[in-house]
Amino acid sequence: NAGVMQNPRHLVRRRGQEARLRCSPMKGHSHVYWYRQLPEEGLKFMVYLQKENIIDESGMPKERFSAEFPKEGPSILRIQQVVRGDSAAYFCASSPGPGRVGEQYFGPGTRLTVT
Amino acid sequence: GQQLNQSPQSMFIQEGEDVSMNCTSSSIFNTWLWYKQEPGEGPVLLIALYKAGELTSNGRLTAQFGITRKDSFLNISASIPSDVGIYFCAGPSAGNNRKLIWGLGTSLAVNP
Repeated sequence: NAGVMQNPRHLVRRRGQEARLRCSPMKGHSHVYWYRQLPEEGLKFMVYLQKENIIDESGMPKERFSAEFPKEGPSILRIQQVVRGDSAAYFCASSPGPGRVGEQYFGPGTRLTVT
Repeated sequence: GQQLNQSPQSMFIQEGEDVSMNCTSSSIFNTWLWYKQEPGEGPVLLIALYKAGELTSNGRLTAQFGITRKDSFLNISASIPSDVGIYFCAGPSAGNNRKLIWGLGTSLAVNP
């Protein structure tokens, strides 16, 4: 059973470009979470999605950031017009559904570097 | 807002030593989670605690959910080189239990 998959693992973008980060949850999981991690810090919650619905986006910056989890295909975190401050590791986690909150399984992350 | 404070920030120990780290908060958490993150990887769940006073082991790891529900500790016995990594505590936000609040981590280095 494959774990959470994220791609690309590393992404370099120039300021002003768009970044698209993909997350395929574990098989059978319908809940996806995105977190951001700055160097030497813990993870910061960004958004929680179920299939075709955004449940909680309280951690998402108001501008330039968006997320989706379509009926078919991976979840996408999109960052428009990237700036240097967007450089970070972005982690996706998935869970099987209503259940214990600890059951979030993380992918290996996408390291975004904005030059 | 809710915060989790981890100590120590970093530890340098000899192989074979026992390790203890803790996590505290000024607010109550109903669940305490301990994760380990290795360089270039995502966090891996080590132990989940769901009841105040609960003591749970996973191999050489033992974690306890504090009675006040405002703290938790993680112990590693007889450390080995592969224990190297950053250990994070996390807990669900009071407003949304699927949103995890994270500590800043304890970085562990083990000298063989």
